[in-house]
Amino acid sequence: AQRVTQPEKLLSVFKGAPVELKCNYSYSGSPELFWYVQYSRQRLQLLLRHISRESIKGFTADLNKGETSFHLKKPFAQEEDSAMYYCALAQTDNQGGKLIFGQGTELSVKP
Amino acid sequence: EAGVVQSPRYKIIEKKQPVAFWCNPISGHNTLYWYLQNLGQGPELLIRYENEEAVDDSQLPKDRFSAERLKGVDSTLKIQPAELGDSAVYLCASSLRQGDHHNEQFFGPGTRLTVL
Repeated sequence: AQRVTQPEKLLSVFKGAPVELKCNYSYSGSPELFWYVQYSRQRLQLLLRHISRESIKGFTADLNKGETSFHLKKPFAQEEDSAMYYCALAQTDNQGGKLIFGQGTELSVKP
Repeated sequence: EAGVVQSPRYKIIEKKQPVAFWCNPISGHNTLYWYLQNLGQGPELLIRYENEEAVDDSQLPKDRFSAERLKGVDSTLKIQPAELGDSAVYLCASSLRQGDHHNEQFFGPGTRLTVL
């Protein structure tokens, strides 16, 4: 069964510390992975997708097919990074890009 | 551009009452999604439309939930009758499908439903 797992519900770090939000997936096909972010009182929005291989707001994520992981990393966390982060998998095998989301990780960056 | 518009933003009803949510996608987006987000969980797809056709409604509880997108633009999701367990946030999203390529999904602000 297709599944996305985010093992941490809450991750708390101090400003300037490195941060890694974990995401593991289970999918039999060729996965397309995303990270979505929801800042306080804002709507859910795309942060980055693995096929873009880009860094957004200092965040990067590498797809590791061997470990079936897509962890989100940032070397120096900022207070404005505090938000809910959702890892999502798009089913590309005739499922029309249907997204399966993880449960989310709340990132709290303390001053 | 206002992005994906949803109304109402909040709704409180008593159980067994009907309720409807409305969504207007980004102009030109042919694909529309309704998601359910329970507290502490990620969104779960309820139904996906491509233009006016519901192409994936496998997760929609059809005994009480219904949806329509008559002209392939805006959409309405209805619950009748509502149950206590329906309390959640209902998200609408839209995207532009180009052939087999699905572009980024843009989400609305959601409707927070409370069933008493």
